[in-house]
Formats: sequence, structure tokens, C-alpha cells
Amino acid sequence: AQTVTQSQPEMSVQEAETVTLSCTYDTSESDYYLFWYKQPPSRQMILVIRQEAYKQQNATENRFSVNFQKAAKSFSLKISDSQLGDAAMYFCAYMTGTASKLTFGTGTRLQVTL
Amino acid sequence: GAVVSQHPSRVICKSGTSVKIECRSLDFQATTMFWYRQFPKKSLMLMATSNEGSKATYEQGVEKDKFLINHASLTLSTLTVTSAHPEDSSFYICSASTRKETQYFGPGTRLLVL
Repeated sequence: AQTVTQSQPEMSVQEAETVTLSCTYDTSESDYYLFWYKQPPSRQMILVIRQEAYKQQNATENRFSVNFQKAAKSFSLKISDSQLGDAAMYFCAYMTGTASKLTFGTGTRLQVTL
Repeated sequence: GAVVSQHPSRVICKSGTSVKIECRSLDFQATTMFWYRQFPKKSLMLMATSNEGSKATYEQGVEKDKFLINHASLTLSTLTVTSAHPEDSSFYICSASTRKETQYFGPGTRLLVL
């Protein structure tokens, strides 16, 4: 079974600074997708970024980028120029290439301070 | 685009009663819908996957007679918690998918069983 591990229960970053959230996963599949989701206090799940495993290039969405290390099974999220609105729970998630089920990590709560 | 709604957003019921939660894809047809459960400060746990017109596939440990899922159309799935008990109190989230690797999440339903 696939597992997703987020080893940082909480992180804090100052506004305008950069923070990196860690995620590792375990799988024997070669075809899969990785995701970072944001869950603000409203609890609405918001897709932040997606990475296809077959792509070597790291995904980027504005201030959000990932460092995808396939051999190490690592998928970290970097948030640049942090904003107060980035404060939320962040979940790393895995999906196999053959099924559409998402497996979520335990989450990292990100605080953004002034 | 790609909006998913859930109704109700919050429900309180007495122990022993049944509660139905609706999940609708508002501007697209969802071939697959998913139901998740989230305990306070915890991650999302997949309960079941439903495809339109067929029986839902439940995850291990989820009682299918307790959590009835119906996916009668490409835009509507319902989760009925039968004979609810206080331990069923939780946050229930649905998601809808058109493409395998893309899930759009609803805003969630908070269930409190007294």
C-alpha cells in the first residue's frame, strides 16, 4: 500500500520569506501523480500544485514550486514570498496512475507571521 | 468552473436517526465521486469511490451498510449515514472527478450526532 509521510506537523514563516514543506512517499509504482493541497480554516480543499511522476521538470505555480526527487521518493513544496493568506493546513497527496484514489499525508500546519 | 457543492454544510441529529448528505458537481459531469472523512486536526481518509450507475467501492474498514452511497446521475452523489451515533460525528468531504488525475472538492459537511 502507498503511504505518504509529512514529518513536520507545524511550520512557521515570516511574511515575504520562503518556506519549504517536506513530503516523502512510498510506492512500487512507476506511474503516479503527486499533489499539494491547501486547507484553510474554511476547510475547503484547494489544489496548490500537481506533479506527474514521468515528468523530470519540477512543477511551478506562481509562488509555489516543488522539488520532486523520484529516486528518493521526496516531494517538497516551496512557498516563496509568503503571504498571510498562505496560512493553512497543507496536505501532500499521492495518486497511482491506474486508479484515481488519493492518499493523503497527515498534513503540515503553516503559520505566517508579520 | 469545476465547482462542487455539498448540502447541508452543517447538520445536527439525534442518535439513531439517519442523515443524508448531497454532493453535486455544478458545472461539469463527474464520472467518479469520492467521499472522505476528516476528524479534527487530522487528514482526509477515503471512505468510498462511486461511479455513476454502479455500486460504490468501499475502503477497508468502512461499513457499507452504515454509510450508504448512491450515485444516481453524473452530477449527484449522496452519502447517507444510517442510524447515526456520536462516533459518526465528523467532517465529511466529497470530491468529483472527470479526468483520472483531477479531483474537485466540495466545501464539506460537519455532522454532529447527539
